Amino acid sequence: NAGVTQTPKFQVLKTGQSMTLQCAQDMNHEYMSWYRQDPGMGLRLIHYSVGAGITDQGEVPNGYNVSRSTTEDFPLRLLSAAPSQTSVYFCATELPGASYEQYFGPGTRLTVT
Amino acid sequence: TQLLEQSPQFLSIQEGENLTVYCNSSSVFSSLQWYRQEPGEGPVLLVTVVTGGEVKKLKRLTFQFGDARKDSSLHITAAQPGDTGLYLCAAQGGGADGLTFGKGTHLIIQP
Repeated sequence: NAGVTQTPKFQVLKTGQSMTLQCAQDMNHEYMSWYRQDPGMGLRLIHYSVGAGITDQGEVPNGYNVSRSTTEDFPLRLLSAAPSQTSVYFCATELPGASYEQYFGPGTRLTVT
Repeated sequence: TQLLEQSPQFLSIQEGENLTVYCNSSSVFSSLQWYRQEPGEGPVLLVTVVTGGEVKKLKRLTFQFGDARKDSSLHITAAQPGDTGLYLCAAQGGGADGLTFGKGTHLIIQP
């Protein structure tokens, strides 16, 4: 049982490049989400999904796209990276039946130059 | 959007001392969680509190939820170097989608 896995661990992009951050879970949790963590800003919700085929925006969705074709996978896409997207990105699932308790992946550290 | 204020932002104390960190808001929450995060890793859930006035203990950690469900505290007794980390509170409620996180308390326990 791997829990929540994220790839890559580290990534450097040039401004304007695109990439996809991968997130996979093997716990069969319906709810998945993406957060970014910046110094002095805490964790902020980017997008979330309550199940396959359903996604919605969080607090800071601009510049990011998501899709949820399966329960297991929830990729985050940056279509045209900007330096403001330099951050640490965390994928999380929500424990079913609990009070919004999150189970986080190990994170992806992204630098945009 | 609800705002969670955590204090202090930074705390450095000696091993064996006691400490309390706080999480405050003007909003009422349906539940509140505390997470601990170590460098290079994702946050790990410590506890969830749901009832006003609730107190939960996890070994040397004591979590309290305010009677009005607007604030919470984390008290650590006899802190150890292994307690070092970023402590985050998070809550859902007040009409916001998903969880809102506080900015965290950076705790360093010196041997």
